[in-house]
Amino acid sequence: AQSVTQLGSHVSVSEGALVLLRCNYSSSVPPYLFWYVQYPNQGLQLLLKYTSAATLVKGINGFEAEFKKSETSFHLTKPSAHMSDAAEYFCAVSEAYGNEKLTFGTGTRLTIIP
Amino acid sequence: DAGVIQSPRHEVTEMGQEVTLRCKPISGHNSLFWYRQTMMRGLELLIYFNNNVPIDDSGMPEDRFSAKMPNASFSTLKIQPSEPRDSAVYFCASSQTGGGSYEQYFGPGTRLTVT
Repeated sequence: AQSVTQLGSHVSVSEGALVLLRCNYSSSVPPYLFWYVQYPNQGLQLLLKYTSAATLVKGINGFEAEFKKSETSFHLTKPSAHMSDAAEYFCAVSEAYGNEKLTFGTGTRLTIIP
Repeated sequence: DAGVIQSPRHEVTEMGQEVTLRCKPISGHNSLFWYRQTMMRGLELLIYFNNNVPIDDSGMPEDRFSAKMPNASFSTLKIQPSEPRDSAVYFCASSQTGGGSYEQYFGPGTRLTVT
């Protein structure tokens, strides 16, 4: 069974600073990994996905994530935070050769300090 | 594409009443998922369908909850009778499996309040 752990339920960064949101996964088979963003009163929107191609994945809004098998990690980064990045971010995992269920982390709320 | 469509967007009902939530997946998608989101429990998968067939309903809380997918373009989640602890945001998501990447596309959600 797969699982996801997101370290830090709340993260605050200053506008213009580096954003780093942490995600570690557990999977018995090669995983597919995803980051989603949820703005207030909206559904989840796909930011980026890893599906066993390039380990460095670029997504929308300047975000990227790197798949590190040795560390079982898939951390999300953005070089320079913008006020519009304030939202909740969810990491999710599925089994590459299993069913299509996604297992979501508990989420990290990102606050941007002006 | 219109994306995943959910209705109603907000529902307020009294305890004991029947509630029906509706979802139209993205055209061409063959999997549909119902989730519930609360502050206490986060995002929970309730049930999912593949090609209109329920595959996994292990997340359905109890017999008061039921879901159907009569065709590829429509699904319902019904709660009967509703209870205050059912208050949550309910999301529908759809995906196109077979392509191998499994990303899901979410609707805007239905905010349910049971008084």
